[in-house]
This record gives sequence, C-alpha cells and structure tokens, in this order.
Amino acid sequence: KAGVTQTPRYLIKTRGQQVTLSCSPISGHRSVSWYQQTPGQGLQFLFEYFSETQRNKGNFPGRFSGRQFSNSRSEMNVSTLELGDSALYLCASSPGLAGGAETQYFGPGTRLLVL
Amino acid sequence: AQSVSQHNHHVILSEAASLELGCNYSYGGTVNLFWYVQYPGQHLQLLLKYFSGDPLVKGIKGFEAEFIKSKFSFNLRKPSVQWSDTAEYFCAAQGGGSYIPTFGRGTSLIVHP
Repeated sequence: KAGVTQTPRYLIKTRGQQVTLSCSPISGHRSVSWYQQTPGQGLQFLFEYFSETQRNKGNFPGRFSGRQFSNSRSEMNVSTLELGDSALYLCASSPGLAGGAETQYFGPGTRLLVL
Repeated sequence: AQSVSQHNHHVILSEAASLELGCNYSYGGTVNLFWYVQYPGQHLQLLLKYFSGDPLVKGIKGFEAEFIKSKFSFNLRKPSVQWSDTAEYFCAAQGGGSYIPTFGRGTSLIVHP
C-alpha cells in the first residue's frame, strides 16, 4: 500500500497570507489527523477528520481549519499567517474504527516558513 | 489533563552503549502506548506499540519497551546502539476515552561512531 502523502513538501509565505496543505491517507483509512511539530513544543494535535466530519479538535485558534473529502483526502487551511505558524505540519491516517486501538501512520510533512 | 512526559530531551551516546529512554503518562484506565522514531529528514515511523498482553514489547531494529502499569511508564531500551540510531524519539499514549494519541516532546538521540 502507498503511504500517507502530503503536498506541498515546502512552503514559504509571508505574514497575513493564507495557506492550504493537502494530505492523502493510506487507501482504506478513513481517519485523518493533523499535527503541528515545532522544536519547542513537539507534536501538537490540531484536529481529526473522519467521514468528512471533524471528530476531534485540539487547542488551536480558529485560523486553523480543515476539511475532508469523500475520498478521505484532507486539507488544512491556515489563514492570516503569523511568524509563529512556522512549523512542520504532519498528517497521520488510521482506519478510524470507533473504539479500537489504532496505530497512526504519518506522512512526510509540509514544512511551512512564514516570513 | 492527559499528558506524556519524556524525561531526557537530549541523549548522546557512543556506539555499542546501552540505551534507555524514559516515558511516563498520566492516563488512568486502559491505555495504548507507542514509540515513534523520526530519522533526520524522514517522516515519523512506528518503532513499537503496546495494546495489551505481554508488557515487554519488541519492535523493529532491536528496540524494546516495557509497560509498567504501577509506574505509568513505557521506557524504550536497546542493548547496543548504532550510529544509524541517531534520531528523534517520541513516546505517545492513547486512552482516557480518546483514540487521539498524546505525544511527548521527544528525545533527541545522537550516537557517536
């Protein structure tokens, strides 16, 4: 099976702009989660989508949003970028079986630099 | 709040040294535990996981971890590290009614040849 893919791999934006990141999960996986990884904070959970619905949400401001399509592909959007949004954004997919113990599989990430 | 603590932020070892990275979690009840590794320039990949059964779990590349419920710990071990083990290691816990894992802040391991 192909792994989790993320596009683009690298992005440079300026403050105030918005950005959209894309994630394609492993075939058959219905749950997609997004994380922000920074050297000081480690991995912080942004949100999780399952069957086109946001099922879980972390503690990030409303500038961070996402969506999932019927084929389980997911996008994440950050509006009004701030310098502190510079990070590696990771996408992880899992089968999404409710109540099951599951392993998340991670993509390579999108490295965002905000200038 | 649920949390995962990794006590060692930076570890530097020589090749053939033994490794133990600490991980403690704050969940009560049933918990699933993971160790992930991120090699330089690569994506996070699963080293090993514990869901139930034998508390001593063996993973890839000679790593193992032991779940000690009474200590809320899931320490990662390797008897003899190699230069290629240089990477960032993340412990994660899943439980408390949520299947979204909480990650520790990571431990950076540097192995000198």
